[in-house]
Formats: sequence, C-alpha cells, structure tokens
Amino acid sequence: GQQLNQSPQSMFIQEGEDVSMNCTSSSIFNTWLWYKQDPGEGPVLLIALYKAGELTSNGRLTAQFGITRKDSFLNISASIPSDVGIYFCAGPEGGAQKLVFGQGTRLTINP
Amino acid sequence: GAVVSQHPSWVICKSGTSVKIECRSLDFQATTMFWYRQFPKQSLMLMATSNEGSKATYEQGVEKDKFLINHASLTLSTLTVTSAHPEDSSFYICSATQGWGFGIQYFGAGTRLSVL
Repeated sequence: GQQLNQSPQSMFIQEGEDVSMNCTSSSIFNTWLWYKQDPGEGPVLLIALYKAGELTSNGRLTAQFGITRKDSFLNISASIPSDVGIYFCAGPEGGAQKLVFGQGTRLTINP
Repeated sequence: GAVVSQHPSWVICKSGTSVKIECRSLDFQATTMFWYRQFPKQSLMLMATSNEGSKATYEQGVEKDKFLINHASLTLSTLTVTSAHPEDSSFYICSATQGWGFGIQYFGAGTRLSVL
C-alpha cells in the first residue's frame, strides 16, 4: 500500500523558534492533511490541502501541497509551549475513504 | 462543527471481560466511521471501516470476532472488545466522516483501555 514518510521523527527546539517538517510519498496524493495529536488525545485537523502548489495558513501554521503531489510541508512560526505534540501528515489511500498516516513528528519545546 | 465524542476516555477491566466503546458524531451525520488502535510512540493503525447500516470492513490481521463493531445509526458506532486480555491494552480512537467517498476524518478524543 501507499506509505508516507515524515521527517524529522522528533524535534527539540527553543520557544520562539520556527519549525519545519515534511512528508513524502512514492506515489501521488490528491489531498494532504495535517493533524496534531496532544498526549492522551485524538488527532485534531490543522490544515487540509487539495491542490498541487497550494499554500494554506492557519494562524502561525502554514502548509504547502508539493507541486509533484508527492510531498507536503508544514511550518510553524514563533513556536509556543502549546505547540508541543505529535504532528501527523495523512492522505487518502488510493483516493478512497481510508487515510494513510505518516509516522509522526514529535515536537518538544524548551522554555 | 464536526465534533466527535468518544466514551469512555479511560477504562480498566479484568481479563476475560468485554468492554464497549462508543463513538458519536454530535453535529453531523457520519455515514462512515473508522476505528484505530495506537501503540505508544507509534502512528495510528486502522482496525476497521464502518458504514452505517452495513457490516464493518476489517483490516488484515484484525480479528472481527474479537473487535465487534456496530454502526446502527448515522451518529453512533460502537467497538466492543470481547474477552479482553492484557495484550488488548491500548489507545483506541474513532473518527467519522460525512458523505460517501473521501471526506475529512474528524477524530474522537480516544479511549485508553487497560486490561488487568
């Protein structure tokens, strides 16, 4: 099946720093989703991308749908303590209902 | 909008007993619900896809007799872990989507199951 590779797997940064993470696939995706999961909670949708080249923002978060449709990027500007958590990229498997998830990027922020 | 409620958030049970977890879409009709399992420090693993009024479709390797899924209405799906054993201890998460075909999945808060 399709797989999504997220990088980096973990990040340790200082509060106020910008964060960049990405997600790549060997096959084309028509939709990219970015979720955040807090400890002991379910994932929460951050940004949905539907078109190659699309750049979408949600507050301090910005995500881009790669032009090749095989990758996506998520940036967080001026990180704050509540940004701590695991960020997952996801996309529809074979364009169907099921989602394929990346392995996640665990973000830790040092105050 | 798009709120999914999952209950209970935490359950402890004795080995051999059954546990039921509920997943409700509060402000939309969920034609499709999904059940995931997540191990510590790992990604979400899809267990089954549940369409309202029909039998759930289980992923390969998931025992359908052990993990009973019922999706009797457009707002409620349940997962019953039958004859639970310690190895069933995990974090179970449901999600729901509207319409048919691809749709954004909105997730519940998860249920932590501990089997003693």
